[in-house]
Amino acid sequence: DTGVSQNPRHKITKRGQNVTFRCDPISEHNRLYWYRQTLGQGPEFLTYFQNEAQLEKSRLLSDRFSAERPKGSFSTLEIQRTEQGDSAMYLCASSFVAGVPEQFFGPGTRLTVL
Amino acid sequence: AQTVTQSQPEMSVQEAETVTLSCTYDTSESDYYLFWYKQPPSRQMILVIRQEAYKQQNATENRFSVNFQKAAKSFSLKISDSQLGDAAMYFCAFFYFGNEKLTFGTGTRLTIIP
Repeated sequence: DTGVSQNPRHKITKRGQNVTFRCDPISEHNRLYWYRQTLGQGPEFLTYFQNEAQLEKSRLLSDRFSAERPKGSFSTLEIQRTEQGDSAMYLCASSFVAGVPEQFFGPGTRLTVL
Repeated sequence: AQTVTQSQPEMSVQEAETVTLSCTYDTSESDYYLFWYKQPPSRQMILVIRQEAYKQQNATENRFSVNFQKAAKSFSLKISDSQLGDAAMYFCAFFYFGNEKLTFGTGTRLTIIP
């Protein structure tokens, strides 16, 4: 296990289409986070899971966004009816629930909505 | 709500020189963590250094050190003997237990001049 992985790395879609991203965390980590980063900004929190339970969702996460983490392993983030404003880098991070709250980040999925 | 402010959008430094990146934050919490993350161009975010608020001693990691001023709510990063590989976006981030997520600043783009 070499770290957090995300797929795809890049996604170009047309407005109105649905997209799904996948994140595979570090295997021992029980927390998984999703952040969104737009150009020139720092990452903004979207949601996080502890094992399979989704514990918090940001108000940034509209009804078009849904995230899952079945069996507490990988996670998916789906965006329905994409809009141009959804264009961003979607970052996944994982961590342990206890101890130092260091989060390890994946390379991100860059979404472009045309 | 916690806020993190990085007032230097861009900084540049000559190779082998020292540079300091600024970060201030606002919180009413007393126990928290502060982090500096590095995001090289088109590469994933990695942790540079962390500081626990209850530790008075400033953290140091090789060429990287922090100046943590709890009363002033200031957390600056000093990079000594700057190297070309230090060129990146640097993000200051805040975490506390009970909130369970990272709050990031807007970042500082560091350029290393050969």
